[in-house]
Amino acid sequence: DAGVIQSPRHEVTEMGQEVTLRCKPISGHDYLFWYRQTMMRGLELLIYFNNNVPIDDSGMPEDRFSAKMPNASFSTLKIQPSEPRDSAVYFCASSLTRGPVVTEAFFGQGTRLTVV
Amino acid sequence: AQSVAQPEDQVNVAEGNPLTVKCTYSVSGNPYLFWYVQYPNRGLQFLLKYITGDNLVKGSYGFEAEFNKSQTSFHLKKPSALVSDSALYFCAVRDREGFQKLVFGTGTRLLVSP
Repeated sequence: DAGVIQSPRHEVTEMGQEVTLRCKPISGHDYLFWYRQTMMRGLELLIYFNNNVPIDDSGMPEDRFSAKMPNASFSTLKIQPSEPRDSAVYFCASSLTRGPVVTEAFFGQGTRLTVV
Repeated sequence: AQSVAQPEDQVNVAEGNPLTVKCTYSVSGNPYLFWYVQYPNRGLQFLLKYITGDNLVKGSYGFEAEFNKSQTSFHLKKPSALVSDSALYFCAVRDREGFQKLVFGTGTRLLVSP
């Protein structure tokens, strides 16, 4: 498996524009997590899914943020409209929990978002 | 709500000396515990995990950690530090019960001097 794949790796956009970040988890994994990393706030959990169902979105900062997981192999994080304070590195991670099998979370390389 | 505390923003150690990076956690039930490392402009790399069994867990690059339930701690250790160990280290916890939210600490920067 190629691991967790995120796209794009870098995104520069103007304030007010819509931004869509994409994630392909590892095949067979049942959990998917979205995190945001900034110098000021560290690594924040935004939302996570179990078997494609959103379980906890309490970390999503505002209604401008939304996330979907239409199937087991794809998830998106959308920001509309974007603001400069959204500039951060966004990570996607996936893991497997099945009975006694508990894997660690495998992280993608992240998307560095800059909103100007 | 589960949480992780990494009380030190930075740990400084000389090469060849032992290192410890501290982590304490809070969960309602029993935890799964993890350590990750992040190098500049990179993603998070898994180091080791405690799921069950022996409280002393050995991981990648000579790192180990000890699960201490009474002290709710999971400190990361290495007997002899290398300059190349300099990086940002994160502790994380998941609750065994219910849906398994994965929460990270704020991170500890390790600086190993030659």
